[in-house]
Amino acid sequence: NAGVTQTPKFQVLKTGQSMTLQCAQDMNHEYMSWYRQDPGMGLRLIHYSVGAGITDQGEVPNGYNVSRSTTEDFPLRLLSAAPSQTSVYFCASRKPGQVSREQYFGPGTRLTVT
Amino acid sequence: AQSVTQLDSQVPVFEEAPVELRCNYSSSVSVYLFWYVQYPNQGLQLLLKYLSGSTLVKGINGFEAEFNKSQTSFHLRKPSVHISDTAEYFCAVSEGAGSYQLTFGKGTKLSVIP
Repeated sequence: NAGVTQTPKFQVLKTGQSMTLQCAQDMNHEYMSWYRQDPGMGLRLIHYSVGAGITDQGEVPNGYNVSRSTTEDFPLRLLSAAPSQTSVYFCASRKPGQVSREQYFGPGTRLTVT
Repeated sequence: AQSVTQLDSQVPVFEEAPVELRCNYSSSVSVYLFWYVQYPNQGLQLLLKYLSGSTLVKGINGFEAEFNKSQTSFHLRKPSVHISDTAEYFCAVSEGAGSYQLTFGKGTKLSVIP
């Protein structure tokens, strides 16, 4: 299993541009989520999904859009990038009902908005 | 709502000395507690977790943590640190049996001094 994969690893955008951060998992996990990590702030939940066709907002959803058309993929869209969205983005997945309750994290995407 | 407080943002410690990284949480219901480690420029890796049962939990790389319900704490300890333990450590809580969401603390940077 590849686990949770994220592309790209690095991205530089100009203010106002849009882009999609890709996240995929091959573990058949229904639950997937996106976090952003900023210095001194820990990880904050942006959006999450409990299955295909079901998404919901987390703590910091503004400026981001998600959809979940398959179990495997959970892309994060930046509609109009702003410098405040400069961050490291992590995708995570988990299987509901899994005894260990462990979430598996991808390697991250480092985004800079100029 | 749940919250996590990591009391120290940075902890310097000499090699082979013991270390304790402190974590307190607030929640009105039963919780599941986690410690994750992030090495420089990498994703998050699960160190250990408390789900139920014994309050002393052992994890990877010689780390352990103790769940203290009365003090709402889940402090991480290691009796003798190594240079390779230099990393950022995150405490996280998941609230209730049906919750998939993780709430993270702001992180503690552990620096091991040779």
